Amino acid sequence: KQEVTQIPAALSVPEGENLVLNCSFTDSAIYNLQWFRQDPGKGLTSLLLIQSSQREQTSGRLNASLDKSSGRSTLYIAASQPGDSATYLCAVRPNTGTASKLTFGTGTRLQVTL
Amino acid sequence: GAVVSQHPSRVICKSGTSVKIECRSLDFQATTMFWYRQFPKQSLMLMATSNEGSKATYEQGVEKDKFLINHASLTLSTLTVTSAHPEDSSFYICSAMGGWGTEAFFGQGTRLTVV
Repeated sequence: KQEVTQIPAALSVPEGENLVLNCSFTDSAIYNLQWFRQDPGKGLTSLLLIQSSQREQTSGRLNASLDKSSGRSTLYIAASQPGDSATYLCAVRPNTGTASKLTFGTGTRLQVTL
Repeated sequence: GAVVSQHPSRVICKSGTSVKIECRSLDFQATTMFWYRQFPKQSLMLMATSNEGSKATYEQGVEKDKFLINHASLTLSTLTVTSAHPEDSSFYICSAMGGWGTEAFFGQGTRLTVV
């Protein structure tokens, strides 16, 4: 059974710092991995999608990497801003089966202070 | 990214009544939709997977007669919480995909409070 872990569970950084969020998964047979952001009381916003054949994806100040063989992904946020404060979730999709279900990590709660 | 609209965003209902939550994909056809439940400060728990025109597949421990899912078209799925009880109070989120393995997009969520 796939298990997804995110470290740290919570993180507080001052504005302007660069930071890295970690995601690890136990079964490397994945089709893709997706990073999401969730604001309190809201749904999920898709940030980046990395296919299993890719090593990284970039969008603005965000860069996500994937090392499938070691079961790890990182989300790098450059020059953090207070508006980046949210919970960040990673999720993996298996490369087998028809249900295409995502397995979510427990999330990292990020607070960027002024 | 694509837009998934979920309605209502908040609902309060009395015990014993039923509540319907709608999930619409606004700019793409969703062959598969997922319904999740989220408890405070926890991650998402998948309740069921629905494919257009067929019966939903429920996860273990989820009562299919209590949580009725209908995916009648490629742009609409509904979740009906029947005979709601206070323990059904939670945050419910839907997700939609245009095809197998494609990017998943999520609705804004529905905060259900049963009094």
